Amino acid sequence: KQEVTQIPAALSVPEGENLVLNCSFTDSAIYNLQWFRQDPGKGLTSLLLIQSSQREQTSGRLNASLDKSSGRSTLYIAASQPGDSATYLCAVLDYGGATNKLIFGTGTLLAVQP
Amino acid sequence: GAVVSQHPSRVICKSGTSVKIECRSLDFQATTMFWYRQFPKQSLMLMATSNEGSKATYEQGVEKDKFLINHASLTLSTLTVTSAHPEDSSFYICSARVRGGAGEQFFGPGTRLTVL
Repeated sequence: KQEVTQIPAALSVPEGENLVLNCSFTDSAIYNLQWFRQDPGKGLTSLLLIQSSQREQTSGRLNASLDKSSGRSTLYIAASQPGDSATYLCAVLDYGGATNKLIFGTGTLLAVQP
Repeated sequence: GAVVSQHPSRVICKSGTSVKIECRSLDFQATTMFWYRQFPKQSLMLMATSNEGSKATYEQGVEKDKFLINHASLTLSTLTVTSAHPEDSSFYICSARVRGGAGEQFFGPGTRLTVL
């Protein structure tokens, strides 16, 4: 059974700092991995999607990497801003097609202090 | 592009009533839609997978007679919480998978259900 874990559970950094969020998964047979952002009381915003054949994706100040063999992904946020404060969720899509389910991690609550 | 809407965004109802939540993909066709619920400070838990034109597939522990799902078209899925009770109070979020896409899911803004 696929399990997804995120470390740390919460993180507080001063504005301008670079930071890394971690995501690990137990079964490397995944189709893809997505990083999402969730603001309080809101839905999810997709940030980056990495296919299983890819090693990283970049969008603006965000860079996500994927090491499928070790079951790890990282989300790197450069030059953090107070507006980056939110909960960040990673999720893997199990490969195999039978379930096609996104399995979510536990989330990292990020606070960027001005 | 790839916008998913939900209606209503917030609903308060009395115990015993039924509540319908709509999920629409606004600018793309979605053969598959998903319904999740999220309790405070917890992650999303998949409730069911909804395929257009067929019965929904429910996750273990989710009562299909209580959470009725209808996926009548490629752009609309509905979740009806029947005979709602206070323990059904939660944040319900839907998502839609782009037809023919790379498996990416796009999420709606969520519906906050409060059952009194």
